[in-house]
Amino acid sequence: AQKVTQAQTEISVVEKEDVTLDCVYETRDTTYYLFWYKQPPSGELVFLIRRNSFDEQNEISGRYSWNFQKSTSSFNFTITASQVVDSAVYFCALADQTGANNLFFGTGTRLTIIP
Amino acid sequence: DTGVSQDPRHKITKRGQNVTFRCDPISEHNRLYWYRQTLGQGPEFLTYFQNEAQLEKSRLLSDRFSAERPKGSFSTLEIQRTEQGDSAMYLCASSASLHGYTFGSGTRLTVV
Repeated sequence: AQKVTQAQTEISVVEKEDVTLDCVYETRDTTYYLFWYKQPPSGELVFLIRRNSFDEQNEISGRYSWNFQKSTSSFNFTITASQVVDSAVYFCALADQTGANNLFFGTGTRLTIIP
Repeated sequence: DTGVSQDPRHKITKRGQNVTFRCDPISEHNRLYWYRQTLGQGPEFLTYFQNEAQLEKSRLLSDRFSAERPKGSFSTLEIQRTEQGDSAMYLCASSASLHGYTFGSGTRLTVV
């Protein structure tokens, strides 16, 4: 069965600090995709990254970086030098061959950046 | 095209009433999805269309729920005889390829 766990319900950090959001997943498939989405107060889910199970290279995009480790089934997200605009709820999601046409989301982490 | 549009943004209805939501996907996207998000939870998959064909439905989609995409463009989600447990954000997404989702801003339903 598919499962995504985001153990951190809420995180608050002071602006300019670095912050890491944790994501642990479960799947029996060998081929799967992992995602991160940002949900600001407006409600729209904003796509951040998609990573397939065969690509374990870490990725950096500006202040954002992602650490994918298959050995621990984790796909963690780090924001460097956080800004107030980063305040939002962040969701990790999984798509595998069982649910090929849909995403399984975690419960989200609410990130608050304190000015 | 400015993205996925959902209408209305908010809907308050009395228990037992029927409601209908509309989703206009990105025009070149042939795949359309509906998700439901309750407070403090992640979105949960409801149903999936490829063009006008409804190819997948979640167990969450009870008999009171029906979704259509008549011409493979916009989609509607209707809830009949609403219950308080239906209160949630209903999110629509579209894509041109598997997993290339673009989400709309959602319709927030409150059943009183």
